[in-house]
Amino acid sequence: DAGVTQSPTHLIKTRGQQVTLRCSPKSGHDTVSWYQQALGQGPQFIFQYYEEEERQRGNFPDRFSGHQFPNYSSELNVNALLLGDSALYLCASSRGRGTRTEAFFGQGTRLTVV
Amino acid sequence: TQLLEQSPQFLSIQEGENLTVYCNSSSVFSSLQWYRQEPGEGPVLLVTVVTGGEVKKLKRLTFQFGDARKDSSLHITAAQPGDTGLYLCAGYPSGTYKYIFGTGTRLKVLA
Repeated sequence: DAGVTQSPTHLIKTRGQQVTLRCSPKSGHDTVSWYQQALGQGPQFIFQYYEEEERQRGNFPDRFSGHQFPNYSSELNVNALLLGDSALYLCASSRGRGTRTEAFFGQGTRLTVV
Repeated sequence: TQLLEQSPQFLSIQEGENLTVYCNSSSVFSSLQWYRQEPGEGPVLLVTVVTGGEVKKLKRLTFQFGDARKDSSLHITAAQPGDTGLYLCAGYPSGTYKYIFGTGTRLKVLA
């Protein structure tokens, strides 16, 4: 049973460019959440997708957008990249929207903006 | 506003020592999870605590959920170098679907 998989694992982009990160949830999971983790800090919630809709959003600008597909996989898009967007981007999947569900994480995508 | 505060922020101990990490909030949580994360990797789930006052043991790790479900602790007995990592608590504050993480505790166990 494959866990949560993210691609690519590493990425280098230039300021002002756009980037798309991808996530495939764990089998049986239908909810995907995205997090940004700066070096030395805990993950910060970006948004959550359930039934192909953005259900919750953290304190991130509109440059951060996403999508969930019918097979529950998801994409995170970041436009007009800034140096401060450099971070480890984590995807987590869970089953349903209950608040007692456990989230399982992928290995992350390390984004470097130069 | 950080709803989950962890303490200590950093901890460096010798192999064989015991330690406790705390996770505190003013909000009630439906459940709390504890994760361990190594550099460049995603967090790995260690345990979920659901019931107020619950105690769960995972080998040398003991997790406790406060009676009011506002706090939790992680106790490690006879720490080993393999326990080194970033420990994170996380959960859904009641009334929200925003899954939030604690501030993290970075543990280093010296051989």
